[in-house]
Amino acid sequence: EAGVTQFPSHSVIEKGQTVTLRCDPISGHDNLYWYRRVMGKEIKFLLHFVKESKQDESGMPNNRFLAERTGGTYSTLKVQPAELEDSGVYFCASTRFGNTEAFFGQGTRLTVV
Amino acid sequence: AQSVTQPDIHITVSEGASLELRCNYSYGATPYLFWYVQSPGQGLQLLLKYFSGDTLVQGIKGFEAEFKRSQSSFNLRKPSVHWSDAAEYFCAVGQGNSGGYQKVTFGIGTKLQVIP
Repeated sequence: EAGVTQFPSHSVIEKGQTVTLRCDPISGHDNLYWYRRVMGKEIKFLLHFVKESKQDESGMPNNRFLAERTGGTYSTLKVQPAELEDSGVYFCASTRFGNTEAFFGQGTRLTVV
Repeated sequence: AQSVTQPDIHITVSEGASLELRCNYSYGATPYLFWYVQSPGQGLQLLLKYFSGDTLVQGIKGFEAEFKRSQSSFNLRKPSVHWSDAAEYFCAVGQGNSGGYQKVTFGIGTKLQVIP
């Protein structure tokens, strides 16, 4: 089966622009998570979807970040407007309901200049 | 709040030598513990996990980890390192419920360099 897929793999944008990251979880995985790693820091939780519902968004940095998961399939994470401190690697992970192993995507490296 | 400490940011070992990566956690209840590896250009891959039972956990690629509650540690070990083990390793702690995997807290990561 296909793994978790993230698009794009890299994105370089200017401060103030908008960027949308996409995550396609493994088919049938109800749980979808977004994480972010700022350079030199820990990988930090952003939010958790169960199907199309946001279960926990306690890690979202501020209201410039908007995550959606329409139809409970793929998810998007939009940053608008982007700031320099948003640079980092954004990871997506998915799991089946009741399963304790998360499968991670390769990540999207976002650079804001 | 849960937290994870990986005291070694970089480790260099010779190929064939043994390896131990340290991890200490802070968590109020019985933790779910994980080790992930990220090879260059790849996503995070689960090496092993501990939820309960035997405190010595076997994982993929010849890795094992031992849960020591008294020391709040979950160190990763491998008896003989291969050049392909060069990667970044992340220890993580999480809480589970009937739904399974929940958000985890990661350590800062340990970069492993393997020299001939």
